[in-house]
Amino acid sequence: DSGVTQTPKHLITATGQRVTLRCSPRSGDLSVYWYQQSLDQGLQFLIQYYNGEERAKGNILERFSAQQFPDLHSELNLSSLELGDSALYFCASSVEGNEQFFGPGTRLTVL
Amino acid sequence: AQKITQTQPGMFVQEKEAVTLDCTYDTSDQSYGLFWYKQPSSGEMIFLIYQGSYDEQNATEGRYSLNFQKARKSANLVISASQLGDSAMYFCAMRRPGNQFYFGTGTSLTVIP
Repeated sequence: DSGVTQTPKHLITATGQRVTLRCSPRSGDLSVYWYQQSLDQGLQFLIQYYNGEERAKGNILERFSAQQFPDLHSELNLSSLELGDSALYFCASSVEGNEQFFGPGTRLTVL
Repeated sequence: AQKITQTQPGMFVQEKEAVTLDCTYDTSDQSYGLFWYKQPSSGEMIFLIYQGSYDEQNATEGRYSLNFQKARKSANLVISASQLGDSAMYFCAMRRPGNQFYFGTGTSLTVIP
């Protein structure tokens, strides 16, 4: 158990809908990272937050947004969902070092 | 352009033997970091090892070592004394300045008893 929690574990929704994925980092970790893992695109870095502020942005679509709250949990919002958004979404946290601890992931299925 | 290349889609190794998983990277940055992650069939991602571009010594973590050849832009993972529990997907990744992360397509390792 990495200490990072993600909810929900599975999510099934329809095209055009909006969903929110939630991540609670390990106690004391200020950085949260979001990744997408799909069969088509492989593993892709989406975005990083550090202590509530956006720190780095990767291949995140404009339909996607994220935020980190004062209690350091983070949410990834996916809107206008398309079939191609079906993927495993990981959250990871770190103190601000090189080792990232990954959550179990949220498997999103868009029908 | 692909920044991380893992050319071995699948590898087999006998239990207790050593295995090398290949990774090459492409960057013109002077400062970068290289990572290896393990993803068992259960799906979680597990950090294994890290090598900084300025580190002169190859990184080691228990049975894992990273064979860093900067001039060749390679960062191969060596697993010694393979165990059945090592069967998993292995991903090589790079962190570039600005905290941009890039992953390879992974290598599936199967340890044979």
